[in-house]
Amino acid sequence: SQQGEEDPQALSIQEGENATMNCSYKTSINNLQWYRQNSGRGLVHLILIRSNEREKHSGRLRVTLDTSKKSSSLLITASRAADTASYFCATGGSFGNEKLTFGTGTRLTIIP
Amino acid sequence: DTAVSQTPKYLVTQMGNDKSIKCEQNLGHDTMYWYKQDSKKFLKIMFSYNNKELIINETVPNRFSPKSPDKAHLNLHINSLELGDSAVYFCASSHHFREGPSSYNEQFFGPGTRLTVL
Repeated sequence: SQQGEEDPQALSIQEGENATMNCSYKTSINNLQWYRQNSGRGLVHLILIRSNEREKHSGRLRVTLDTSKKSSSLLITASRAADTASYFCATGGSFGNEKLTFGTGTRLTIIP
Repeated sequence: DTAVSQTPKYLVTQMGNDKSIKCEQNLGHDTMYWYKQDSKKFLKIMFSYNNKELIINETVPNRFSPKSPDKAHLNLHINSLELGDSAVYFCASSHHFREGPSSYNEQFFGPGTRLTVL
């Protein structure tokens, strides 16, 4: 069954604005990961947040995790045209549960 | 020096044929995966191998048979192809890292193989 659901399904913003995507999941987790997929390409790992962490930064990315609400958000600040892609959250990826279960994805379009 | 590579990139074939997709990783990872991404971009795990041993088999029809000759390779063979098999198939690999009592893995994906069954 599908673990994560991203919201919104699609998002279009002007270059330079911030983009926020949300992910909800159903079961308890060890960690949550965000991946980016450019059109016609494979997925690229962006950031991993552990279940005991509430916030994590990596460059222009900021991820939050609220395990009580079973939700996570990905914020991309000062967006660029190159950020245009689909973004997926994924749970799993731990010893004994190696598989990743992906959400439905958010299609982000940055308008130059 | 591609980390995870797949061949072919595109595969167009007739219904009923048998085809294979190959995957190789040069990252030294122990675990490899096959995922299927459908037309709605939904990505789902199919199989996983750890050191050539099958550890995940997600209710995939037995027309799909993965083979891992060594831990750097995981191939996918599909018999009697059906229209519904049309999708993009991604190979991935990972290495577990431990922090205290917990372990995690980040997965590295190949570029995908777009399979079209006519």
